[in-house]
Amino acid sequence: DAKTTQPNSMESNEEEPVHLPCNHSTISGTDYIHWYRQLPSQGPEYVIHGLTSNVNNRMASLAIAEDRKSSTLILHRATLRDAAVYYCILRDDYNQGGKLIFGQGTELSVKP
Amino acid sequence: KAGVTQTPRYLIKTRGQQVTLSCSPISGHRSVSWYQQTPGQGLQFLFEYFSETQRNKGNFPGRFSGRQFSNSRSEMNVSTLELGDSALYLCASSWGPPQSNQPQHFGDGTRLSIL
Repeated sequence: DAKTTQPNSMESNEEEPVHLPCNHSTISGTDYIHWYRQLPSQGPEYVIHGLTSNVNNRMASLAIAEDRKSSTLILHRATLRDAAVYYCILRDDYNQGGKLIFGQGTELSVKP
Repeated sequence: KAGVTQTPRYLIKTRGQQVTLSCSPISGHRSVSWYQQTPGQGLQFLFEYFSETQRNKGNFPGRFSGRQFSNSRSEMNVSTLELGDSALYLCASSWGPPQSNQPQHFGDGTRLSIL
C-alpha cells in the first residue's frame, strides 16, 4: 500500500485559509488521492478526492502537484467547526477495492 | 436523508464473550466496510462487503467476521473477546461496488469496552 506523510499538527486562525500538505512520493498511476476528516466523537467524513487535476467542492479545494508526489488540501476560510484530524489517503480501487488505509493524519486546531 | 446507523452506540463485554455489531447503510448504498479505531493503531480496515459477498479483508484474526444481508444491512461479529479488542468500530457505506471509487460515508461507531 502506498504511504502518505502528513504533519502531526497544524494551527490556524478562524476565517483564514488553511493549507494542509501531504506527501506521497510512491504514488502509483491508479491511486486516487482522498481526504477525510474526523471531528471529535464522530466517524470520519469525506472531504474531497482527485486523480491528477485540481478539484473543488463546497467544502474544500484539492491541489495536486504535476508529478502527483504531493498534494494540498485547502480550506478557504477556516471555522471553529473545521477543527479535526485530516487524513490524506491513497486509494487504489482498481487493484485493492474500496478500502481506505488511514495514516496518523494532521490534527488541525482553529483559534478564534 | 438518514446517515449510516450503527447499533448499539456503546457496549461493555467481558473477556471470552462474543459480540455482534449492526450497521444500516444509507438508503440505496450497497457497499459496506468496517474499520477498527484504537488510540495505538489508529483506523484499520477490517472488511468490505458488496452484494452479500466479502470483497476485501484486512489483517485481522479469524475471530473477526462479518456478513451482509440482501437489504445491504451488515453485521460484524467478534468471538472470544480479548482486552485488546476494546475499540471504536466504524461502519461506512458507499453507493457502488468496491471498484467504483465512490466516497465512503461513516457512522459514528460502536464503542466496545472489554473488561
